[in-house]
Amino acid sequence: EVQLVESGGGLVQPGGSLRLSCAASGFTFSSYEMNWVRQAPGKGLEWVSYISSSGSTIYYADSVKGRFTISRDNAKNSLYLQMNSLRAEDTAVYYCARISMVAKGYYYYYMDVWGKGTTVTVSS
Amino acid sequence: DIQLTQSPSFLSASVGDRVTITCRASQGISSYLAWYQQKPGKAPKLLIYAASTLQSGVPSRFSGSGSGTEFTLTISSLQPEDFATYYCQQLNSYPPWTFGQGTKVEIK
Repeated sequence: EVQLVESGGGLVQPGGSLRLSCAASGFTFSSYEMNWVRQAPGKGLEWVSYISSSGSTIYYADSVKGRFTISRDNAKNSLYLQMNSLRAEDTAVYYCARISMVAKGYYYYYMDVWGKGTTVTVSS
Repeated sequence: DIQLTQSPSFLSASVGDRVTITCRASQGISSYLAWYQQKPGKAPKLLIYAASTLQSGVPSRFSGSGSGTEFTLTISSLQPEDFATYYCQQLNSYPPWTFGQGTKVEIK
């Protein structure tokens, strides 16, 4: 079964750090680009960060640039998000999601597998 | 960054109704658009990608159309399990890949 399982969430004080993990199974993790998406309580979805299959290409949302670091370990089938200098507005459920693509003249991307999410609460 | 605006933000409908949700992009994105369904407390579920391609396993009552800056998600006959929040997402070239603000579909 294709599966993504996030872990590492919790309660942290403003200015603190947290490292999220996402364990992949049921597919060849090293062949897929991955990303993190978050959802603040009662709000919509916000794309956070992207990493290529090899880890050589990375992008971040402006809201987390300079504070968050995405990485992956293909030997361990795992994706990570190191979150530093956390703020109250980073409080959210964090999802990891697999990126797939289809070639139809051009390459079309989509997020077809999602984890159940891990909750991060930033509060004093 | 490309902005996506969904309308309406809230929709009240009955079982059996035909429902249409619109997503407008702030600049042309060809067909680089996906639609997701999210139920309370659950992760989003992919419905449509490349604007009009139905994801495997998704019922055929869901369909997507559009290109450029205007897109629609249509549910041909609303079922009880379709009451949820729907999001569009643009995946044009490289990130950032923004989402629309969501459309909540509730029972009338």
